[in-house]
Amino acid sequence: QVQLVESGGGVVQPGRSLRLSCAASGFTFSSYGMHWVRQAPGKGLEWVAVASYDGSDKYFADSVKGRFTISRDNSKNTLYLQMNSLRTEDTAVYFCAKGGGGFCSGGSCYRFDSWGQGTLVTVSS
Amino acid sequence: SYVLTQPPSVSVAPGQTARITCGGNNIGIKSVHWYQQKPGQAPVQVVYDDSARPSGIPERFSGSNSGNTATLTISRVEAGDEADYYCQVWDNSSDHPDVVFGGGTKLTVL
Repeated sequence: QVQLVESGGGVVQPGRSLRLSCAASGFTFSSYGMHWVRQAPGKGLEWVAVASYDGSDKYFADSVKGRFTISRDNSKNTLYLQMNSLRTEDTAVYFCAKGGGGFCSGGSCYRFDSWGQGTLVTVSS
Repeated sequence: SYVLTQPPSVSVAPGQTARITCGGNNIGIKSVHWYQQKPGQAPVQVVYDDSARPSGIPERFSGSNSGNTATLTISRVEAGDEADYYCQVWDNSSDHPDVVFGGGTKLTVL
């Protein structure tokens, strides 16, 4: 079955950087768009970014554009989120999620049919 | 940007039917997906593309979408259904794809 395991979270000071990883198994990773979705403590879900099946298309939420980058290594079945210039409002649990399709100009890529358990990022001085 | 509006809370007795709404401008032309999230756990997709059910999700969960409102219906509610529920759509009204979640509805089983 699909398994997504995030890692790399922790406590970081404002302005610093952090890289998250998501190891995938149980499906053909290179065929699906992959997302990062976050949830601030006690709050709702917020989409962060997506990478298409081959990493050629990448889109970001306005709240992280220019600070976060998303990438994937299909040879390692791993998704990454590089977070730079972190702010206190970036504090959240970060989930990786599998899209329903591979092409992410729209459509089925933007439904999340499997989720990891999440990794907590705390931005604090 | 596109906005999805959900009631903060819905309460229902065991065995009854719960209906959780998700309002958005002309949402009926979009594909709506629903997620269940229990405390301390990751979300789980319970309905996709308005009314399709992923494998393993009980038939008690169903969805509909028309006009300005999408609805998640949970029939014969059980204690284990108590959770937060989120609706979600893909929006292409700006110059790049975007994902919009509703604010979430806490379902309480009385």
